[in-house]
Amino acid sequence: AQSVTQLGSHVSVSEGALVLLRCNYSSSVPPYLFWYVQYPNQGLQLLLKYTTGATLVKGINGFEAEFKKSETSFHLTKPSAHMSDAAEYFCAVTHTGTASKLTFGTGTRLQVTL
Amino acid sequence: EPEVTQTPSHQVTQMGQEVILRCVPISNHLYFYWYRQILGQKVEFLVSFYNNEISEKSEIFDDQFSVERPDGSNFTLKIRSTKLEDSAMYFCASIGVGAYEQYFGPGTRLTVT
Repeated sequence: AQSVTQLGSHVSVSEGALVLLRCNYSSSVPPYLFWYVQYPNQGLQLLLKYTTGATLVKGINGFEAEFKKSETSFHLTKPSAHMSDAAEYFCAVTHTGTASKLTFGTGTRLQVTL
Repeated sequence: EPEVTQTPSHQVTQMGQEVILRCVPISNHLYFYWYRQILGQKVEFLVSFYNNEISEKSEIFDDQFSVERPDGSNFTLKIRSTKLEDSAMYFCASIGVGAYEQYFGPGTRLTVT
């Protein structure tokens, strides 16, 4: 069974500040990990993914995440927040092998203030 | 860029009525999914579909739900007799052969009154 825990349902940062959104996973097999972003009244857009290989993965809009197996974490970061980053962010896990269902975390709403 | 589309964007129905939510996955994708998101809650898996049959379904996906790929492009979710608790955003997703990332449609907001 897989599960995802996102610490902090709401995160507020100032424009220009570091963004750190936390994600911890539980999986009995090697995981594939994803971050999706949901803007208000829109669908889910893939930000980045980790499958195999390099543990630091870069995504769109300047976001990146690092897979740390020892910590079972996949935290999302961005060096400098922009107002347009305000959205809901979901971490998701699936197990190795394509076409498996995604298990999502409860999401973190990112607020960016001036 | 290819994208998953869903219709309608918003559906209002009365309790007990049947609804059909439609999705057009990305054209060369072969695996299809439905997820739902109740307002303020996380996205939950409902069902996956491959080669014209259900691959996996969750506990939520009971006898009131069914899926179908009626032709080469559409993928539908039917709820036979809607309940108030079916009110949610329903997302369709698809994935290509050998790929890992699922591409999501914009969703259909279902409101059951």
